[in-house]
Amino acid sequence: DIVMTQSPATLSVFLGERATLSCRASQSVSSHLAWYQQKPGQAPRLIIYDTSTRATGIPARFSGSGSGTEFTLTISGLQSEDFAVYYCHQYNTWPPLETFGQGTRVEIK
Amino acid sequence: EVQLVQSGAEVKKPGESLKISCKGSGYSFTNYWIGWVRQMPGKGLEWMGIIYPGDSDTRNSPSFQGQVTISADKSISTAYLQWSSLKASDTAMYYCARRSPIAADAFDIWGQGTMVTVSS
Repeated sequence: DIVMTQSPATLSVFLGERATLSCRASQSVSSHLAWYQQKPGQAPRLIIYDTSTRATGIPARFSGSGSGTEFTLTISGLQSEDFAVYYCHQYNTWPPLETFGQGTRVEIK
Repeated sequence: EVQLVQSGAEVKKPGESLKISCKGSGYSFTNYWIGWVRQMPGKGLEWMGIIYPGDSDTRNSPSFQGQVTISADKSISTAYLQWSSLKASDTAMYYCARRSPIAADAFDIWGQGTMVTVSS
């Protein structure tokens, strides 16, 4: 299995600041990397797919970058509604053996 | 509106069987893979497997192979996740999600989740 490792586990950020979340794959996943946001009591929501493409309705303050094994989700100018847990997800393999990272919690500092 | 609607919460005893459902609407259900994702209490997301409702082609994670059965009935646009003998460790929230080529095969639409509680 491809292991996805996210860091940090928890990120404390002031409102309006930038948050940088990392996701590392144990082997290359090309650009087949997505990010999801999950708020308490809710299902995950797709934020970024294909490493850097924002999903429908996602504001421009969310951006993704990287390739191969190192990926980053950046949230510029954090808003109150952005405090949540973020998961990365690789979907590179076929037959599919997809995996999620363990999540990064973004909390208010 | 494109949506996946899951069946309601379940409370079961160890050893009992269970089948939960995920009904798609607002799109061509047969043409998109549906995945199942487990989230144990207070934990992260785990990819369980996917099914293509058009021909019921199913791919399972080795971690869940033999533990659950994924199936679909394309005539009623519904996917299923089934257990033959539940364990306490199956207590979790289970999500279905649509795998979409529009989103480069990421999960673009999620169901609301089905909470399964297994307790004696």
